[in-house]
Amino acid sequence: AQSVTQPDIHITVSEGASLELRCNYSYGATPYLFWYVQSPGQGLQLLLKYFSGDTLVQGIKGFEAEFKRSQSSFNLRKPSVHWSDAAEYFCAVGGANDYKLSFGAGTTVTVRA
Amino acid sequence: EAGVVQSPRYKIIEKKQPVAFWCNPISGHNTLYWYLQNLGQGPELLIRYENEEAVDDSQLPKDRFSAERLKGVDSTLKIQPAELGDSAVYLCASSPGGKTGELFFGEGSRLTVL
Repeated sequence: AQSVTQPDIHITVSEGASLELRCNYSYGATPYLFWYVQSPGQGLQLLLKYFSGDTLVQGIKGFEAEFKRSQSSFNLRKPSVHWSDAAEYFCAVGGANDYKLSFGAGTTVTVRA
Repeated sequence: EAGVVQSPRYKIIEKKQPVAFWCNPISGHNTLYWYLQNLGQGPELLIRYENEEAVDDSQLPKDRFSAERLKGVDSTLKIQPAELGDSAVYLCASSPGGKTGELFFGEGSRLTVL
């Protein structure tokens, strides 16, 4: 069975500081990994995805994520957070022959001035 | 390009009443999904369509939930009768291909059952 764990329910970070959100996955084959962001009252927007190749992937809004197979992790990072980054972030896993994404419970990010 | 459109955005009903949600996917996207998102949780798949065929409805509570995708474009998700525990956000998503890839989500329909 596939699953995603996001250990941090809520993170507060100062504007301009760095941000790292953790994601651990369980998947029986080669995983496809995704990070989505959801602003209040909005749908989910894809930040970045990893299918294969370079394990450090760049996404929109200055985000990046690193795939570490040995740790079953796909952590999301941003060097300098902006107030507009306050949102909920979801990690998701699927597979090449899969039709279903499994999402983590999400991490809420609060940005303080 | 228009995104995934859902309506209504908000719906408040009393328990035992019926409710329906509508979704218009991105033009050309053959795959359509309905997800349930409870407060503080990630989305959970309810049903997936490939064109007009429901190819995965294993998570859909069929005693009270139903869905259809006539002509392989728009889709409707219905709950009858609604229960208190159905209060949640119902998300529609679409993708151009059947295999795992990027999903494009609508803004969701927030249901409150009183």
